[in-house]
Amino acid sequence: GAVVSQHPSRVICKSGTSVKIECRSLDFQATTMFWYRQFPKQSLMLMATSNEGSKATYEQGVEKDKFLINHASLTLSTLTVTSAHPEDSSFYICSARLAGQVGNEQFFGPGTRLTVL
Amino acid sequence: ILNVEQSPQSLHVQEGDSTNFTCSFPSSNFYALHWYRWETAKSPEALFVMTLNGDEKKKGRISATLNTKEGYSYLYIKGSQPEDSATYLCAFVMDSNYQLIWGAGTKLIIKP
Repeated sequence: GAVVSQHPSRVICKSGTSVKIECRSLDFQATTMFWYRQFPKQSLMLMATSNEGSKATYEQGVEKDKFLINHASLTLSTLTVTSAHPEDSSFYICSARLAGQVGNEQFFGPGTRLTVL
Repeated sequence: ILNVEQSPQSLHVQEGDSTNFTCSFPSSNFYALHWYRWETAKSPEALFVMTLNGDEKKKGRISATLNTKEGYSYLYIKGSQPEDSATYLCAFVMDSNYQLIWGAGTKLIIKP
């Protein structure tokens, strides 16, 4: 099956630093990748949709200058949390959709736990 | 604001017993419903994609039904096994834009 990796799996950083999270599709090309955030006991919330070679589409309430998304190739999308603060501590998870796929199934990475001190 | 509710939030089931839980979604517009299984420290794994009212899908001991008119889907697990322990998520799709709207999940714990 389609495999998506995410790196790092866990990061602890000081307030004010920037953190980059990578999402890779390992055995397929993904024209579209999605970034989600999940707070404890809450639903996955879509942050942005990342399309290869174009600007990401952000959901309402998500600051695009704070959460920088780059989808430079068909197998890699990155999310950079700039000037992270404790309220950004959360679980971030990406997913990828197969190029040209019928059915719109998304394949998920294992997620990144971000803790901002 | 579209709301997708899953109940119960968590569930303890004895090994060997069968169980089921619910995903409720808005019945006004429906395009698709996804079920995912998410084991701790692993990636969410797709179980079913359901699109038609009355759909019933099955994968081994796990099955799901769909009622789009009343806005719910049930997930059934027959003869629970320890490896079934996971959080089960549903995601509702309203139209062809295909944005997934997620429930908060049902955490299933199978007691040996």
